[in-house]
Amino acid sequence: AQTVTQSQPEMSVQEAETVTLSCTYDTSESDYYLFWYKQPPSRQMILVIRQEAYKQQNATENRFSVNFQKAAKSFSLKISDSQLGDAAMYFCAYRRNKGAQKLVFGQGTRLTINP
Amino acid sequence: NAGVTQTPKFQVLKTGQSMTLQCAQDMNHNSMYWYRQDPGMGLRLIYYSASEGTTDKGEVPNGYNVSRLNKREFSLRLESAAPSQTSVYFCASSVQGASDTQYFGPGTRLTVL
Repeated sequence: AQTVTQSQPEMSVQEAETVTLSCTYDTSESDYYLFWYKQPPSRQMILVIRQEAYKQQNATENRFSVNFQKAAKSFSLKISDSQLGDAAMYFCAYRRNKGAQKLVFGQGTRLTINP
Repeated sequence: NAGVTQTPKFQVLKTGQSMTLQCAQDMNHNSMYWYRQDPGMGLRLIYYSASEGTTDKGEVPNGYNVSRLNKREFSLRLESAAPSQTSVYFCASSVQGASDTQYFGPGTRLTVL
C-alpha cells in the first residue's frame, strides 16, 4: 500500500521569506501523480500544485514550486516571498495513475507566517 | 457554478442515531469521493464512486454506507453513529481520467456524543 509521510508537524517563516515543506512517499508504482493541497482555517481544501511522475521538470505555480526527486521518493514544496495568506495546513497527497483515482494523504504541516 | 456542495455544515448526534450527509457537484464529474479528517491526520478515504452506478470501499469504510443517487449526487449514511465517527467529512469529485484533479467541498463537522 502507498504511504505518504510529512515529517514536519509545524513550520514557521517570516513574511517575505522562503520556506520548504517536506514530503516523502512510498510506492512500487512508476506512474503516479503527487499533489500539495492547502487547508486554511475555513477548512476548504485548495489545490496548490500538481506533479506528474513521468515528467522530470519540476512543477511551478507563481510563488509555489516543487522539488521532485523520483528515485528518493521525495516531493517538497517551496513557497517563495511568503505572505500572511499562506498560513494554513499543507497536505501532500499521492495518486496512482491507473485504477481508481484515490488520493492518499500525508498527516499535514501547519505553516505559520510571522509578520 | 457552485462546485462541490455539502449539507449540513455542522451536525451533533447522539450515539446510535442515524443520519445522511449529502454531497452534490455541478461540474459534470464522473467520480465522487467521501473522506474523513481526524485531528493530526490527513484525509482518509471512506468510499468512492468511480462512475454513476458504481461504489467501492476505501481505507476506512466500516460503519458507513453510500449511495450514488445520480451523476451529481453522492450521499454518505451513518446507520448507528458512534463517538469514533466524530470527524470532519469531505466530499470530492473529479472528471476521471489520467490527469484529473479532485475538487473538494467545504466539509461537514460531525460530533457524536
